[in-house]
Amino acid sequence: AQSVTQLDSHVSVSEGTPVLLRCNYSSSYSPSLFWYVQHPNKGLQLLLKYTSAATLVKGINGFEAEFKKSETSFHLTKPSAHMSDAAEYFCVVSDPGAGSYQLTFGKGTKLSVIP
Amino acid sequence: EAGVAQSPRYKIIEKRQSVAFWCNPISGHATLYWYQQILGQGPKLLIQFQNNGVVDDSQLPKDRFSAERLKGVDSTLKIQPAKLEDSAVYLCASSLSQREGTVGQYFGPGTRLTVT
Repeated sequence: AQSVTQLDSHVSVSEGTPVLLRCNYSSSYSPSLFWYVQHPNKGLQLLLKYTSAATLVKGINGFEAEFKKSETSFHLTKPSAHMSDAAEYFCVVSDPGAGSYQLTFGKGTKLSVIP
Repeated sequence: EAGVAQSPRYKIIEKRQSVAFWCNPISGHATLYWYQQILGQGPKLLIQFQNNGVVDDSQLPKDRFSAERLKGVDSTLKIQPAKLEDSAVYLCASSLSQREGTVGQYFGPGTRLTVT
């Protein structure tokens, strides 16, 4: 069965400093991995996705994530935080190779950006 | 391209009352999903439709929740009777197909339900 663990429920950074949101996954086959962002009172927006191509994935708004199979990790990074990055971030896994078309969400990491 | 539409955006009801939520997916999207997001948790899939047929409803509490997508376009999710623990945001999402849904789904803004 597939699952994701987001290692931090809350991360606080100063504006202009790097962002690191950590995610470990578990799957029985070759997973697809995603990061979604949810701003207050807004719908979920896809930031980036990994689907077995390049292991370093670039997304919108300067975010990127690296798929590391040996570590079963898919951490989200950004070199310099902006106030508008304050939101909840979800790491998500699917395992179509194992016949599962479901998206399984982590519990979320709330990112706060301090001016 | 219009996104996924949901209504109402907010709903407050008393326990044991009934409530219905509506979703209109992106035009041409065959697969439609309903998720429940309880405060402090990630969304959990309740039910998945492929056109007007149910693909997966294994996590839908069928004693009180029901959903339909009669013409394979818009969908309704109903709760009857509501319990306090049903307080959550109900998200609708859509994708071109099941397989496309594994590489990204498009989400609506959600309906925030409060049961008192």
